[in-house]
Amino acid sequence: GENVEQHPSTLSVQEGDSAVIKCTYSDSASNYFPWYKQELGKGPQLIIDIRSNVGEKKDQRIAVTLNKTAKHFSLHITETQPEDSAVYFCAANAGGTSYGKLTFGQGTILTVHP
Amino acid sequence: DAGVIQSPRHEVTEMGQEVTLRCKPISGHDYLFWYRQTMMRGLELLIYFNNNVPIDDSGMPEDRFSAKMPNASFSTLKIQPSEPRDSAVYFCASSRLGTEETQYFGPGTRLLVL
Repeated sequence: GENVEQHPSTLSVQEGDSAVIKCTYSDSASNYFPWYKQELGKGPQLIIDIRSNVGEKKDQRIAVTLNKTAKHFSLHITETQPEDSAVYFCAANAGGTSYGKLTFGQGTILTVHP
Repeated sequence: DAGVIQSPRHEVTEMGQEVTLRCKPISGHDYLFWYRQTMMRGLELLIYFNNNVPIDDSGMPEDRFSAKMPNASFSTLKIQPSEPRDSAVYFCASSRLGTEETQYFGPGTRLLVL
């Protein structure tokens, strides 16, 4: 089955700096890669996603890049703010007919210091 | 538009008792997913439904766990009998037909089995 590895497990930055979180996946048939933000006591919130037919997607201060050859994708947050502090999860879907089945990374705790 | 609704938000029970978690998906969504989140295992998919029919239950830990979806707007996850190792946060998520991989999560039920 799919295996998703996420790094780093914790990330601490100063307000205004950029933050980068990286994930690798194992199933070459995966074609959908979402990123979720989870705040304390809440459910994961979808913040951005990318499909395998594009290499990069941007939404205001967040962007995601995908390298299908190397099987890795990354989340980039620019001009970080204290409210960006949360746990971030990457995920990849399964190939074949189970493309709704997501496998999640272990999460990155992002702390943005004012 | 209302998101995914889960109840109860918190549940404390004693080992051996039956626990029932409830979920109402987003209206119009055809897929419903049950996940479990623990520190040790992260976010893992337990089971998912399409049009009220279970599609993949390979993540259900053992026979003590069962899930049903009697109609398009309601699903239950039952644990009988419960054990301390079942303590976790249980999330429900839903998605639309055609984009089943794009999943929206509920707030979760935090379960503690004593």
